[in-house]
Amino acid sequence: QQQVKQSPQSLIVQKGGISIINCAYENTAFDYFPWYQQFPGKGPALLIAIRPDVSEKKEGRFTISFNKSAKQFSLHIMDSQPGDSATYFCAAPDTGRRALTFGSGTRLQVQP
Amino acid sequence: DAGVIQSPRHEVTEMGQEVTLRCKPISGHNSLFWYRQTMMRGLELLIYFNNNVPIDDSGMPEDRFSAKMPNASFSTLKIQPSEPRDSAVYFCASSFPGGPGFGELFFGEGSRLTVL
Repeated sequence: QQQVKQSPQSLIVQKGGISIINCAYENTAFDYFPWYQQFPGKGPALLIAIRPDVSEKKEGRFTISFNKSAKQFSLHIMDSQPGDSATYFCAAPDTGRRALTFGSGTRLQVQP
Repeated sequence: DAGVIQSPRHEVTEMGQEVTLRCKPISGHNSLFWYRQTMMRGLELLIYFNNNVPIDDSGMPEDRFSAKMPNASFSTLKIQPSEPRDSAVYFCASSFPGGPGFGELFFGEGSRLTVL
């Protein structure tokens, strides 16, 4: 069963624009919500993560917004740069809280 | 510092052959995960180990797949016999004590498997 649903599948943004990727989850027991970034030919790497006791976390140009009542969280990339072009995955711990289940991924292209 | 090391990086084999993928986790990490990535199914968790013990192998697609972790510094994922539908990128990842809920997953660069 799909525990995290991610959208959009792909996204094209102009340099300097805002990229927004959304994720919806089902299990209210989830308590850790990371975003991973993957460049071609590489493994995913942790970008930023949030716990549900806060509604927003910001690290540089990257922000996670968390809406507990809607069971949604989103990644915002401000001032998007061509170097941000990558595939982004949201994730959440599985029911047993021992492994991560990943969303389907969003391929972001930032055009110069 | 060395990250998670996977080998081989690329493997091309013929249907029916045995394939063995290898992983060396980051020293000190006690959880190890095998994921498979395809365009159709995304990143799928196959199996994970905690302290060298398999915890959940419900993601292993069928009996042709097996994984072992004989010690804290080495794991293998074996496919026997291989089939074309097994073609994918296989990732190994490790994490700090406490599991991913308390720390991040560190992924290797993956093993790209092509079964002809």
